[in-house]
Amino acid sequence: QSALTQPPSASGSPGQSVTISCTGSGSDVGAYNYVSWFQQHPGKAPNLLIYEVSQRPSGVPDRFSGSKSGNTASLTVSGLRAEDEADYYCSAYAGSNRVIFGGGTTLTVL
Amino acid sequence: EVQLVESGGGLVQPGGSLRLSCAASGFTFSDYWMHWVRQVPGKGLVWVSRISSDGRFTGYADSVEGRFTISRDNAKNTLYLQMNNLRADDTALYYCANTYGDPAGCGHWGQGTLVTVSS
Repeated sequence: QSALTQPPSASGSPGQSVTISCTGSGSDVGAYNYVSWFQQHPGKAPNLLIYEVSQRPSGVPDRFSGSKSGNTASLTVSGLRAEDEADYYCSAYAGSNRVIFGGGTTLTVL
Repeated sequence: EVQLVESGGGLVQPGGSLRLSCAASGFTFSDYWMHWVRQVPGKGLVWVSRISSDGRFTGYADSVEGRFTISRDNAKNTLYLQMNNLRADDTALYYCANTYGDPAGCGHWGQGTLVTVSS
């Protein structure tokens, strides 16, 4: 069970869009439409942003969107704001009641 | 308001055991699959285990399979993680979370309980 692959860092200026990738395999990301994304600010518990690849829980701004192509899922943050500066993690269902997380991406708002 | 409160963490020697608890309130605990996720301070999230709403089905990360056991008591609205044969690399903040939307979606999280494995 290797972690899903995310870029260690990403950045963008306020108002811009940034996309974070999450690459797995045909056994996890590519096998199911069960990819979630989380935001974590320092010292805080993670917060669910996206589930089932592209669905947003109530209360999550529509600036956050998710997609998937093959074995790679993506999170796009549009209209970047200072408060979006945080760590972002993807997770995917890997079958047999197992879940796998990505290594995390630190987003910097320039 | 959904609340998940972890407890039971602490300092333990290598080879020792601990049982973590997660007290749930504010939602119908018995309707939800639950997860344990851990995080070494300053590092990434690592999924540990999940359990079905009725406790019949479980899953574990390779790194803990055979050493950790997840369980629940729906009458007490409490999730557990029995950790045996602990190793230094089990040192982490352990979060419990309920499942939201899909098997990999953790909707609400507790604040975590810190487990330190050291001699």
